[in-house]
Amino acid sequence: AQKVTQAQTEISVVEKEDVTLDCVYETRDTTYYLFWYKQPPSGELVFLIRRNSFDEQNEISGRYSWNFQKSTSSFNFTITASQVVDSAVYFCALTTNRDDKIIFGKGTRLHILP
Amino acid sequence: GAVVSQHPSWVICKSGTSVKIECRSLDFQATTMFWYRQFPKQSLMLMATSNEGSKATYEQGVEKDKFLINHASLTLSTLTVTSAHPEDSSFYICSALQGILTDTQYFGPGTRLTVL
Repeated sequence: AQKVTQAQTEISVVEKEDVTLDCVYETRDTTYYLFWYKQPPSGELVFLIRRNSFDEQNEISGRYSWNFQKSTSSFNFTITASQVVDSAVYFCALTTNRDDKIIFGKGTRLHILP
Repeated sequence: GAVVSQHPSWVICKSGTSVKIECRSLDFQATTMFWYRQFPKQSLMLMATSNEGSKATYEQGVEKDKFLINHASLTLSTLTVTSAHPEDSSFYICSALQGILTDTQYFGPGTRLTVL
């Protein structure tokens, strides 16, 4: 079975603090893709990153960074020097070559306090 | 990047009426589109997979006679909520796969449906 677990339901941090959102996934497929999406209050899903199972390199994009570790089946997302505009719900997601369906985690609601 | 639009962005209707939501891929052809439903403070739930020129594949528990899906062209899929009731009030989001052998879905901005 395929599953994405985001154990943190809600997180609040003060602006400029760093924050890490956890994501643990389960799949028996050897080829799979992991995603992070941001959903601001407007509701529109914003694509942040896609990572395939054969690429374990960590990635940094501005204040965002991702840590992919197959050994622990985790794909964690860190925001450095958080800003109020980062407040949103963040979804981790998984898809495999088996079909095109995306399995979403339940999301983490992030509050950045001024 | 690929752009997906939805129309309308929000709709309010009376109980018993039918509502049609359009999902368009604006700058690419999408052989496969997906429809999701999201209740407040919850995750996205896949309702159905829509393939151009064929019948949609519905997820378990989703009534196909209630949620009619038509994917008549490579750039347009529609979701019709028939005889809507207040419990159908939700945020409906579509997504599209760009091309055939790909793995990234592009999401529309969503349609907020409120049934009175």
